[in-house]
Amino acid sequence: DGGITQSPKYLFRKEGQNVTLSCEQNLNHDAMYWYRQDPGQGLRLIYYSQIVNDFQKGDIAEGYSVSREKKESFPLTVTSAQKNPTAFYLCASRLDGRENAEAFFGQGTRLTVV
Amino acid sequence: SQQGEEDPQALSIQEGENATMNCSYKTSINNLQWYRQNSGRGLVHLILIRSNEREKHSGRLRVTLDTSKKSSSLLITASRAADTASYFCATDPDRGSTLGRLYFGRGTQLTVWP
Repeated sequence: DGGITQSPKYLFRKEGQNVTLSCEQNLNHDAMYWYRQDPGQGLRLIYYSQIVNDFQKGDIAEGYSVSREKKESFPLTVTSAQKNPTAFYLCASRLDGRENAEAFFGQGTRLTVV
Repeated sequence: SQQGEEDPQALSIQEGENATMNCSYKTSINNLQWYRQNSGRGLVHLILIRSNEREKHSGRLRVTLDTSKKSSSLLITASRAADTASYFCATDPDRGSTLGRLYFGRGTQLTVWP
């Protein structure tokens, strides 16, 4: 089945720890996105990538890092510099970020700091 | 912020009634998209309307776009309990450094009572 897969579904992080959220798609999409969702805040863009080996900061990139070494994969690392990481993280992909195209979303990763 | 903003934030109706949600935005766009999110899940694309279109239909969904007022509306006719979800508009900017981004609003929480 074609789609976009996020893992894990739930993740617990200790204070001061880095954690990496996985996002994989087999839709042959060029563009991939990471969003953070907090209650009442909607979706806020963390990072996005329109092509392999290139990515841009979104509105809330501080404390996060990404890589795009393969077209299929766009992992997000939540670093210890992110002071309030508890949130629901959503990954999405689009055929091409420059054309009229819908986004496909994964099922999300819920990150909790313990 | 360049996010779209949905209105109302919450909407509660009976089955069979129509539900109307509005979205206002600030930038010039290629298209505007509507998505649905069930609690704790990823977003699912509903409909995309291009900047040169004024109205679009898909099943029980009707979307309008007024680029002069920078606003859109989503109408769900003959609502069902299964329509209960959060609905988001997303704007796809058409120029500059924001090209390729997809901005989401805070969403409208729709509850349909049996």
